[in-house]
Amino acid sequence: QKEVEQNSGPLSVPEGAIASLNCTYSDRGSQSFFWYRQYSGKSPELIMSIYSNGDKEDGRFTAQLNKASQYVSLLIRDSQPSDSATYLCAVNNNQGGKLIFGQGTELSVKP
Amino acid sequence: KAGVTQTPRYLIKTRGQQVTLSCSPISGHRSVSWYQQTPGQGLQFLFEYFSETQRNKGNFPGRFSGRQFSNSRSEMNVSTLELGDSALYLCASSLDSISTDTQYFGPGTRLTVL
Repeated sequence: QKEVEQNSGPLSVPEGAIASLNCTYSDRGSQSFFWYRQYSGKSPELIMSIYSNGDKEDGRFTAQLNKASQYVSLLIRDSQPSDSATYLCAVNNNQGGKLIFGQGTELSVKP
Repeated sequence: KAGVTQTPRYLIKTRGQQVTLSCSPISGHRSVSWYQQTPGQGLQFLFEYFSETQRNKGNFPGRFSGRQFSNSRSEMNVSTLELGDSALYLCASSLDSISTDTQYFGPGTRLTVL
């Protein structure tokens, strides 16, 4: 079992729809959770961080964390073609600067 | 503030050679982490340096090493290059070495081993 798992996709949604990206992790001791976006040929950029159970909203993005189920998700409302990218889930299980990444989910937003 | 910078951006080497990559963190950041990204394995943690000390190490062979200087700049070295070392090498900086810190990535160094 991989430490952090994501559906590889591609996930295709029409413009204006809600995109739902999911991530599960295996280490119950994990403390911090991050969503990064990576455009093709570019480096990852942070979208959201979440540390406690529940929802965290930032503009069109909502991160959801359920530690009991070891599950973290990212919702993108009113998806735009510019949101087309690979979304990486990263987990830190209290090991300083060590992030463990999922394989990433490729999102395609069709106009 | 200027972002994380990495040099060089592109490198082509041949098998058996060694390479040194450089990373300058965001001003004030003391932790630098290095990652390898390949299409097959994704983003994998190499090591983290904080206050000139290696704090964490990933599951890579000893050919991969690094160091950090007093100004927080970091270098990583790969000796005896193999074809499988072809990858995008990313460094990320954060304020401190705590799990809740956000890591900010540099543009990466694309290494091609022929």
